[in-house]
Amino acid sequence: GAVVSQHPSWVICKSGTSVKIECRSLDFQATTMFWYRQFPKQSLMLMATSNEGSKATYEQGVEKDKFLINHASLTLSTLTVTSAHPEDSSFYICSARAGGRETQYFGPGTRLLVL
Amino acid sequence: GENVEQHPSTLSVQEGDSAVIKCTYSDSASNYFPWYKQELGKRPQLIIDIRSNVGEKKDQRIAVTLNKTAKHFSLHITETQPEDSAVYFCAASLDNYGQNFVFGPGTRLSVLP
Repeated sequence: GAVVSQHPSWVICKSGTSVKIECRSLDFQATTMFWYRQFPKQSLMLMATSNEGSKATYEQGVEKDKFLINHASLTLSTLTVTSAHPEDSSFYICSARAGGRETQYFGPGTRLLVL
Repeated sequence: GENVEQHPSTLSVQEGDSAVIKCTYSDSASNYFPWYKQELGKRPQLIIDIRSNVGEKKDQRIAVTLNKTAKHFSLHITETQPEDSAVYFCAASLDNYGQNFVFGPGTRLSVLP
């Protein structure tokens, strides 16, 4: 149980384009989903927290107009990197938590390369 | 806000030896402390967690200890095996709905055969 999928696993795009990443909880309802960014050999940096049906809460320094988050259902959250630039290249990982429980289950991550 | 430090940043041990990773946190209100293992290019996997009402928890070769007074908690791996090689992250969280994790910077463990 507690499986989280993420799609796509890899994406290469040109500078200026937008990229959407999906995060799904497959066997549980995720009342809260989290989006992290991880640079090589570094820790997980929380970008934003999203609760189903409400606006995401962004961490300080994360541009909400740049990283659009939608948590439209209890099993799906999406992160859209708008007008991507090479500095947005990174490993993006989502996690999901069921209501009332503190454990976070991570997706497999999406590696984004912006040329 | 919460700040989590983790030491050491890298750790090499011989197969069969024990490994200990220590984390400290700043917010005395934090009361949930998970440990995640991340292999290269893969997702973080929860390996053990502890809540503030418990001082120690063990699961086979893995154990975690918590000292709330000193605000530190440690991961202990006994009889290490090469497959234990990975990056380990500790985290601290308030045990309330909607609260987030603050992760430590990670420890790269290498188990040498």
